[in-house]
Amino acid sequence: AQTVTQSQPEMSVQEAETVTLSCTYDTSESDYYLFWYKQPPSRQMILVIRQEAYKQQNATENRFSVNFQKAAKSFSLKISDSQLGDAAMYFCAYAANFGNEKLTFGTGTRLTIIP
Amino acid sequence: DVKVTQSSRYLVKRTGEKVFLECVQDMDHENMFWYRQDPGLGLRLIYFSYDVKMKEKGDIPEGYSVSREKKERFSLILESASTNQTSMYLCASSSPRQGWSNQPQHFGDGTRLSIL
Repeated sequence: AQTVTQSQPEMSVQEAETVTLSCTYDTSESDYYLFWYKQPPSRQMILVIRQEAYKQQNATENRFSVNFQKAAKSFSLKISDSQLGDAAMYFCAYAANFGNEKLTFGTGTRLTIIP
Repeated sequence: DVKVTQSSRYLVKRTGEKVFLECVQDMDHENMFWYRQDPGLGLRLIYFSYDVKMKEKGDIPEGYSVSREKKERFSLILESASTNQTSMYLCASSSPRQGWSNQPQHFGDGTRLSIL
């Protein structure tokens, strides 16, 4: 079975600084997707960024980028120029690229932005 | 804009009650999901459905059942609520026609359920 591990329950960063959230996963599949979701206090789960396992280039979305290390099964999220609105729970998630589109989530990292 | 709507934001029930959590999506998605979210445990899949009247167990189905009579609606049922079912419940939907490269799962705002 696939597992997703987030080893940092809480992180904090000064506004305008850079922070990296860690995620590791375990799978025997070769074709899959990885995601970072953000859940602010409003509870709405928002997709931040996605990475297809077959793409070697790391995904980027504005201030958000990932460091995808397929051999190490590592998928970290880097947030640059942190803003107050980035404060949220961040969940790493995995999905195999076939079948019924089930997502497997990590336990989450609560990110606090210090003004 | 796409929308997944959960019927209640907060709900308080008593042990032994039959509880219904409703979820409606307006995106004509085939797949619908119910997750439970607990601190330190992340989101865990309870049940999912990939078509009307179809359902499959997720990782933690015990104590729950589901119903999908119409494509847009997916109900989670607690047959006899217990205190250990106090949690946040999130509904999501997606479409296999669009694939992971185009369309992620869309989530509702969650129902915070308390069982007293």
